[in-house]
Amino acid sequence: EVHLVESGGGLVQPGGSLRLSCAASGFTFSGTWMSWVRQAPGKGLEWVANIKEDGSVQIYVDSVKGRFTISRDNAKNSLFLQMNSLRAEDTAVYYCARDNLGGRFDHWGQGALVTVSS
Amino acid sequence: DIVMTQSPDSLAVSLGERATINCQSSQSVLHSSTNKNHLAWYQQKPGQPPKLLFYWASTRESGVPDRFSGSGSGTDFTLTISSLQAEDVAVYYCQQYVGIKTFGQGTKVEI
Repeated sequence: EVHLVESGGGLVQPGGSLRLSCAASGFTFSGTWMSWVRQAPGKGLEWVANIKEDGSVQIYVDSVKGRFTISRDNAKNSLFLQMNSLRAEDTAVYYCARDNLGGRFDHWGQGALVTVSS
Repeated sequence: DIVMTQSPDSLAVSLGERATINCQSSQSVLHSSTNKNHLAWYQQKPGQPPKLLFYWASTRESGVPDRFSGSGSGTDFTLTISSLQAEDVAVYYCQQYVGIKTFGQGTKVEI
């Protein structure tokens, strides 16, 4: 059974940094793209970034380019999101999702809440 | 980026009745390399992550009840619940995956 478990969320001041992790199990992690998708409180879904199976390609939504970095460690079945220069509008639940065969998200974690506030 | 627009924003349907949600993309999501519509539908219940219902616009994910159906092509798509059940109360999202992935704003389905 596929499991995705996020960690690392919390409260951070504007301009601060936070690193999210996602532990994956139940599938061949090194054989699939992975994504981060976020959801601001009471709002809809926004895709944030994804990364190719071997980590050689990363793609970002414009609003986080230059501030967020997605990475992975296939030896540890782990996905990461380094978030720098955080803004209030980055406040959201961040989901780790398996990015299957062209871009649909067939498995999701439970999410990690990131709150950016002074 | 492709803009996805869902209608309506919310709808109330009686138990056992049909619910229809529309999704329109600002440009075609029919990809020439696959000849498939790169369009997915998700269901999100309160406090839970989204759940994939359909991909390629009309391919039902394993375990999804057959009262749910997906249809459409190009820029216009529909998610239909043929006979609404209490457990179908949720927010439904469409998502395109032709390029930069984008979601519709969501449609809240209530009894």
